Amino acid sequence: QSVLTQPPSASGTPGQRVTISCSGSSSNIGSNTVNWYQHLPGKAPKLLIHSDNQRPSGVPDRFSGSKSGTSASLAISGLQSEDEADYYCAAWDDSLNGPVFGGGTKLTVL
Amino acid sequence: EVQLVQSGAEVKKPGESLNISCKASGYSFTNYWIAWVRQMPGKGLEWMGIIYPGDSDTRYSPSFQGQVTISADKSISTAYLQWSSLKASDTAMYYCARQTSTMVRGVTSNWFDPWGQGTLVTVSS
Repeated sequence: QSVLTQPPSASGTPGQRVTISCSGSSSNIGSNTVNWYQHLPGKAPKLLIHSDNQRPSGVPDRFSGSKSGTSASLAISGLQSEDEADYYCAAWDDSLNGPVFGGGTKLTVL
Repeated sequence: EVQLVQSGAEVKKPGESLNISCKASGYSFTNYWIAWVRQMPGKGLEWMGIIYPGDSDTRYSPSFQGQVTISADKSISTAYLQWSSLKASDTAMYYCARQTSTMVRGVTSNWFDPWGQGTLVTVSS
C-alpha cells in the first residue's frame, strides 16, 4: 500500500490530453513539493517535473504539473505513442523524514 | 554528463551476502546525497535510505533499517547497498539516484535526478 494514491491506469489517443492524479496528506503533499517521474520498461526512471510544476531542461512542455492542497496532478497534452510508460508521483514526508511515492499509473496510448 | 552506473544483475541463494554498487561521474560526488530505491516485481517504488558521501551521514527508511547497509567510498565515487543475509523477499530491482535539494522562498524541494539503470537482484534457492 503506497502512501500516495494514484490511479493504476490511464489511457488516451494520440493528440489527446490526459491527467494523472496523486493524492496524499498534510505530512507529504500538503506541506512539501511534488515530483513526477516517468518509467519506461527496462529503463531508469526519469525526472519529469520537480517542485510541483518545474520542468527540467529537455522535458517537453507537453508535460505540466500542478498541486492544490493535498493533491497533485500531472497533465500530458498532445499525447504521443512514446509517452506510454509508468508515471510516479513523489513527495517528501515529514513523518517518514524521507520521500514517499505513489503506486504508479500505467499510461496506455491507444 | 552526470551519470550513475550500477553493477550488474545478481542471482543469489537465501542467506548469502551481497553488495551492489552505484558509480557516479560528471559531478562532485561528495556534494550530493545518493538514495537507494526498491521496486519489487509488479510493484511501485520504495525509498530505502540515503547517504551523503561527503561525511557518510546515512539515513534509513524505518522499513529498511537493520535490513540493509548503505555506504560510500568517495575515493572512487561509488555508493553501495549491502545485505548480510538475503531473503527471497529481497528479490527486486534496486535503483540508486542522486538527490538535488533547493530552497525557494523558505520551501525546501528534493528530487531524484539522475537515476542509475537499476540492478536486478534475484534470491532463490
